Amino acid sequence: DSGVTQTPKHLITATGQRVTLRCSPRSGDLSVYWYQQSLDQGLQFLIQYYNGEERAKGNILERFSAQQFPDLHSELNLSSLELGDSALYFCASSRGVDDTQYFGPGTRLTVL
Amino acid sequence: SQKIEQNSEALNIQEGKTATLTCNYTNYSPAYLQWYRQDPGRGPVFLLLIRENEKEKRKERLKVTFDTTLKQSLFHITASQPADSATYLCALDPSGSARQLTFGSGTQLTVLP
Repeated sequence: DSGVTQTPKHLITATGQRVTLRCSPRSGDLSVYWYQQSLDQGLQFLIQYYNGEERAKGNILERFSAQQFPDLHSELNLSSLELGDSALYFCASSRGVDDTQYFGPGTRLTVL
Repeated sequence: SQKIEQNSEALNIQEGKTATLTCNYTNYSPAYLQWYRQDPGRGPVFLLLIRENEKEKRKERLKVTFDTTLKQSLFHITASQPADSATYLCALDPSGSARQLTFGSGTQLTVLP
């Protein structure tokens, strides 16, 4: 158990809908990262937050957005969902900006 | 374009042997390279980080080498056990930090009893 929690574990929704994925980092960690893992694209970095501020951005679609709250939990919002958004979404956390990342168990999103 | 390649999608070895996994990269100059283990349906677990000025790093039965001239890292598991069966991912950050990780596609290792 990495100490990172993600909810929900599974999510099934329809195309065009909007969902919110939630992540609680390990106690004391200030950085949160979001990754998407699909069969054809592998594990891809989406975005990083550090202490509430965005620090790095990867290949995150404009339909996706994220934020980190004052209590350091983070949410990833996915809107106008498409079939191709079906994937495992992982959150990771680290103590600082460049430290070892600890991954959560993931949220499996299925878009029908 | 930048690319990370792991030598094979799947590797089967006999218990007790040494497993060697390869990670090659092009058009990167990473300051770090990391190895993760991922079990089916679970998040990756950090194993080892090696810096560009380190040739080799060890942790228990694991050994990682990093050759910046060849642009290659080798990951070895000695005295392999069936419990080592998993997918192993290499990762690096094109910006030179450990932050924005780019992952290889992984090698699925199966250790046969």
